[in-house]
Amino acid sequence: DTAVSQTPKYLVTQMGNDKSIKCEQNLGHDTMYWYKQDSKKFLKIMFSYNNKELIINETVPNRFSPKSPDKAHLNLHINSLELGDSAVYFCASSQVPISGNTIYFGEGSWLTVV
Amino acid sequence: GQQVMQIPQYQHVQEGEDFTTYCNSSTTLSNIQWYKQRPGGHPVFLIQLVKSGEVKKQKRLTFQFGEAKKNSSLHITATQTTDVGTYFCAADTGRRALTFGSGTRLQVQP
Repeated sequence: DTAVSQTPKYLVTQMGNDKSIKCEQNLGHDTMYWYKQDSKKFLKIMFSYNNKELIINETVPNRFSPKSPDKAHLNLHINSLELGDSAVYFCASSQVPISGNTIYFGEGSWLTVV
Repeated sequence: GQQVMQIPQYQHVQEGEDFTTYCNSSTTLSNIQWYKQRPGGHPVFLIQLVKSGEVKKQKRLTFQFGEAKKNSSLHITATQTTDVGTYFCAADTGRRALTFGSGTRLQVQP
């Protein structure tokens, strides 16, 4: 069983469209994250939820809206997609949000905006 | 915000050569973690260092945490093609989420 699973793995879409990426973890963790990895491999935190509550909301355009229906799921919806949104989006989870906890990543969702 | 700087950005070695990547912070870290991302893959946890001056080994990999807990290094002895990937350090910079270094991409020539 995959610990952190996200869908779709690949997504090619046109500018201006709206798209969603879904994520589920079966590790029983309380905390989930969205990270964005750009073409230079830089990994940047976007959002973090702890037990369905938003605890980190980085400087991300408000076209990006996370939703956590329960602590095992964290979805990412993106409105009005732009070329610069092309990246790999990683969902991740950890037991709790405190320092020292290992982060488990999903396999990533490759988003290409054309 | 606080950053974790990592160097070099890229290294190309011949198989059998050693490799080292360094991670530096301007502030004292409570702990530091290292992750490896294979090409096309996702970051996978390697190890966590907590104590000042701590050294841990995993086969050919040696991880070190500085005495002042502001820097860390990962050293690979006698690289193999299976070591190819990007190595990230990551630390809690007080934001309740790991801040990742910029990564070091390792290429190993057979």
